Amino acid sequence: GAVVSQHPSRVICKSGTSVKIECRSLDFQATTMFWYRQFPKQSLMLMATSNEGSKATYEQGVEKDKFLINHASLTLSTLTVTSAHPEDSSFYICSARDRKGPQHFGDGTRLSIL
Amino acid sequence: AQKITQTQPGMFVQEKEAVTLDCTYDTSDQSYGLFWYKQPSSGEMIFLIYQGSYDEQNATEGRYSLNFQKARKSANLVISASQLGDSAMYFCAMREVGGATNKLIFGTGTLLAVQP
Repeated sequence: GAVVSQHPSRVICKSGTSVKIECRSLDFQATTMFWYRQFPKQSLMLMATSNEGSKATYEQGVEKDKFLINHASLTLSTLTVTSAHPEDSSFYICSARDRKGPQHFGDGTRLSIL
Repeated sequence: AQKITQTQPGMFVQEKEAVTLDCTYDTSDQSYGLFWYKQPSSGEMIFLIYQGSYDEQNATEGRYSLNFQKARKSANLVISASQLGDSAMYFCAMREVGGATNKLIFGTGTLLAVQP
């Protein structure tokens, strides 16, 4: 069964809206979670590393104020796309790693900004 | 910097035949991990197989095996007895073992189409 839960799976909203995506590790504690973005027919691009109890580490070119990450507990990280615009439309997917295992991914969120 | 290269944008294979998906990597680290993930059209990322840089034997998981050639820095995925349900995108990824963040670096992916 799924070990990482991501919600919602799909969001369609108007331009200017802020959208929050949740990523939960179900069977383990994850001090670190990862947020990726994937455009159609392209690979996953790491946006940021979410660290429990501290600030996220963003990859080069990713706007911190645009993509707010909060990792308030060992099982939950949230990504908020603030004031979303059509160019933010994409597939967002999170992952978390159990201590010794591979990274497990959520099922992803398809974000469509109209 | 770490880099993963998948040179095959797309592959066709006949059902029940074997197929090899190529993956080469570049790293200066001595310890690293190599992964293959499957992404069906629905979008979820499904972990398939893992190979550690110090593992002497090639990893196998059911119909999946990883042809690890360390000197050539290649980690090809072999799928035996292809099934229609194997049609998907396949991503090779690398992680620095023991690194501070454990983040994965992905290749560009190979789209596999299994034909009946």
